[in-house]
Amino acid sequence: QVQLEQSGAEVKKPGSSVKVSCKASGGTVSNYLISWVRQAPGQGLEWMGGIIPIYDSRNYAQKFLGRVTITADKSSGTAYMELGTLTSEDTAVYYCARGPPLRWSYYDYWGPGTLVTVSS
Amino acid sequence: DIVMTQSPDSLAVSLGERVTINCRSSQSVFYSSNNKNYLAWYQQKPGQPPKMLIYWASTRESGVPDRFSGSGSGTEFTLTISSLQAEDVAVYFCQQYYSKSTFGQGTRLEIK
Repeated sequence: QVQLEQSGAEVKKPGSSVKVSCKASGGTVSNYLISWVRQAPGQGLEWMGGIIPIYDSRNYAQKFLGRVTITADKSSGTAYMELGTLTSEDTAVYYCARGPPLRWSYYDYWGPGTLVTVSS
Repeated sequence: DIVMTQSPDSLAVSLGERVTINCRSSQSVFYSSNNKNYLAWYQQKPGQPPKMLIYWASTRESGVPDRFSGSGSGTEFTLTISSLQAEDVAVYFCQQYYSKSTFGQGTRLEIK
């Protein structure tokens, strides 16, 4: 059974950056689409972007262009999402989610989420 | 970007009753070359990540109870729970993956 493991909760200052990791246990992220979806407190789901590591193919939501970078380390089977120039509006739970290696896809496995709190 | 709009925002239904949640996309998510609708449904319980129920608009994910079904095509879609169980209390989201990815705002389902 595939499980996605994410790095732990973070508290960041406004203007700083955060980097969240996502690793698959019982499998690999490299052969799949790995997307990042965030959820602000009490709010809905917001797609940020995704990567298919074996193709090194990435796509980002227009809203986050220039502020988010999604990467993957094929050797360790880990995907990363780095978000810069943080503001309080970026306080949210950040999920990685796995789907088949299509440019756009549904997500059959989700990580547990990483809470990122932005506060001065 | 494709905008996904769900209705209603919330509903309360008695145990054993039928539940219908609607999802409308601002443009068609049907791809004629493979005859597929790029639409998925998710269930999210408090403190948990979303769980996929339905993909390709009507294909039930393995292990999902058969009381859950999806229907629709083009721009209008429906998630149906044939007989509401207590464990179905959750927020439900639709997602289009025809062009990038966007989610509906969510529908909160409670027991009446």
